[in-house]
Amino acid sequence: AQTVTQSQPEMSVQEAETVTLSCTYDTSESDYYLFWYKQPPSRQMILVIRQEAYKQQNATENRFSVNFQKAAKSFSLKISDSQLGDAAMYFCAYRSVFTARRAQKLVFGQGTRLTINP
Amino acid sequence: DAGVTQSPTHLIKTRGQQVTLRCSPKSGHDTVSWYQQALGQGPQFIFQYYEEEERQRGNFPDRFSGHQFPNYSSELNVNALLLGDSALYLCASSTRTGYTQYFGPGTRLTVL
Repeated sequence: AQTVTQSQPEMSVQEAETVTLSCTYDTSESDYYLFWYKQPPSRQMILVIRQEAYKQQNATENRFSVNFQKAAKSFSLKISDSQLGDAAMYFCAYRSVFTARRAQKLVFGQGTRLTINP
Repeated sequence: DAGVTQSPTHLIKTRGQQVTLRCSPKSGHDTVSWYQQALGQGPQFIFQYYEEEERQRGNFPDRFSGHQFPNYSSELNVNALLLGDSALYLCASSTRTGYTQYFGPGTRLTVL
């Protein structure tokens, strides 16, 4: 079974600075998807960024980018120019590539609470 | 384009009661997954519905059951509620082969 570990329960950063959230995962599969979701106090889980494991190029979405290290099974999220609205719980998640037999569930880590200091 | 919607927003029940939570998927999506998120934890997969059938199930007892309707909307039913069932219940929708799940705002269930 796949597992996802986020070793930083809490992180804080000054507004406009850069912060990196860590995520490691364990799997025996060679192809899969990885995600970062953001959950603000409003509770809505919002997709931040996604990465296909077969792509060597790291995904980027505006101020958000990932450092995907497949061999190390590491998937960190970098937030540049942090803004007050970035404050939230951030969850790393894993999903198998679709097949009729594979579980299509998302496997989540425990989350990292990010605080932005003005 | 409407996103994933869930109802109700909050719910308070007592032990032993039964509860039904509802979810409407994002337009164009045909697959619905349910997750339970205990306070301070990451979401845990309950089950997934496609073509009105339960396709996959996580490690949850039979007290948790569901249904999917022809319009792809879904219900989560929990019988014989326990205090430990208190959690945020999240619904996520996707296409059958699409790899991204989009989440609704959740239903906060409190069991007293």
